[in-house]
Amino acid sequence: EPEVTQTPSHQVTQMGQEVILRCVPISNHLYFYWYRQILGQKVEFLVSFYNNEISEKSEIFDDQFSVERPDGSNFTLKIRSTKLEDSAMYFCASTMASQETQYFGPGTRLLVL
Amino acid sequence: EDQVTQSPEALRLQEGESSSLNCSYTVSGLRGLFWYRQDPGKGPEFLFTLYSAGEEKEKERLKATLTKKESFLHITAPKPEDSATYLCAVQAKTGGSYIPTFGRGTSLIVHP
Repeated sequence: EPEVTQTPSHQVTQMGQEVILRCVPISNHLYFYWYRQILGQKVEFLVSFYNNEISEKSEIFDDQFSVERPDGSNFTLKIRSTKLEDSAMYFCASTMASQETQYFGPGTRLLVL
Repeated sequence: EDQVTQSPEALRLQEGESSSLNCSYTVSGLRGLFWYRQDPGKGPEFLFTLYSAGEEKEKERLKATLTKKESFLHITAPKPEDSATYLCAVQAKTGGSYIPTFGRGTSLIVHP
């Protein structure tokens, strides 16, 4: 069964450093998303991406964040200068059509020290 | 103000003791309600999608129902392996896209 994959599974970084989180969505899906979940809190939407551009973004997704689909398979989230409060699980999701079910990856646990 | 409220926050059951989890929502223009299961340190695993009031879906010991204001996830004769956090997400149109809003989840523990 096809699934969303994410790398790395864990990332530890120093405050102010750049990190890139990687995702490989399900191959025939067209819409891609990033979410975060701070420990003990709910899953929060960050950004959606379709047709090589951002379609929606939340207040969390400020100028420190960017997304890219550098090739036909990868979808990345870059945090330019990490802050302590960026520590969270980051989930990638994909779906065939915007209103249909989103399938989530296993997540990347980011720890900013 | 939360658009999606799940209750209870936590639930402990004995194996075989059936119960229901609630998800109430206030979004207008609902375009789908999703139930996910999340194990500790893992990503949400899809369970059900419901689109209209009156709709029901079943999978093994789980049954999801939907009204105009809430959804229930019924767990019949649960087993310890059903222990997880169950997440509800409602989807409405935001701008040109459909963005799910998640509840805080119900943490279920099933004791043998």
